[in-house]
Amino acid sequence: DQQVKQNSPSLSVQEGRISILNCDYTNSMFDYFLWYKKYPAEGPTFLISISSIKDKNEDGRFTVFLNKSAKHLSLHIVPSQPGDSAVYFCAASAGYALNFGKGTSLLVTP
Amino acid sequence: EAGVAQSPRYKIIEKRQSVAFWCNPISGHATLYWYQQILGQGPKLLIQFQNNGVVDDSQLPKDRFSAERLKGVDSTLKIQPAKLEDSAVYLCASSSPKNEQYFGPGTRLTVT
Repeated sequence: DQQVKQNSPSLSVQEGRISILNCDYTNSMFDYFLWYKKYPAEGPTFLISISSIKDKNEDGRFTVFLNKSAKHLSLHIVPSQPGDSAVYFCAASAGYALNFGKGTSLLVTP
Repeated sequence: EAGVAQSPRYKIIEKRQSVAFWCNPISGHATLYWYQQILGQGPKLLIQFQNNGVVDDSQLPKDRFSAERLKGVDSTLKIQPAKLEDSAVYLCASSSPKNEQYFGPGTRLTVT
């Protein structure tokens, strides 16, 4: 039972443009959401998080938006850079354990 | 600050053999997790420790998998006997009080 879904397996964006990665969840008990970035042969790296009491959190080029009524969150990367090319995982928590989506592979082309 | 350390990085074994993975979390992190990541999937939680006690092991296949965290610091995850479907990357993570989980590089296990 996949409680966190990332329906786009891959995304290609030109350098300098905006990258938008989407994530949907089904469990209304989730109250904390995170995005991780993963390079090949490395573990996931924490990127940004948002609590369910907020609808937006910004950190430099990265912004996460949360729409609780739609059970949807998105990660915006502006401007996109070639070094952002990686697999991005959305994760959600109702306590401590994280439930991960399957990931979206982002390719930023020069 | 040193990150989460894991060893070995790669392991190849035959089915029915046993294998063990080691994890050293970030200093001061009380909570430690083991995840299994099968190719093309997101990480799936196997077990969560708070200090040296188990908080959640509901998804750990206990007939073949075991884990311990003696003294509330390092942890080992063991598989005995291994099956072909255990081929995956095994990730260890530890979390800050804000529940931001920091992952190690993982151990890639191949069972032949």
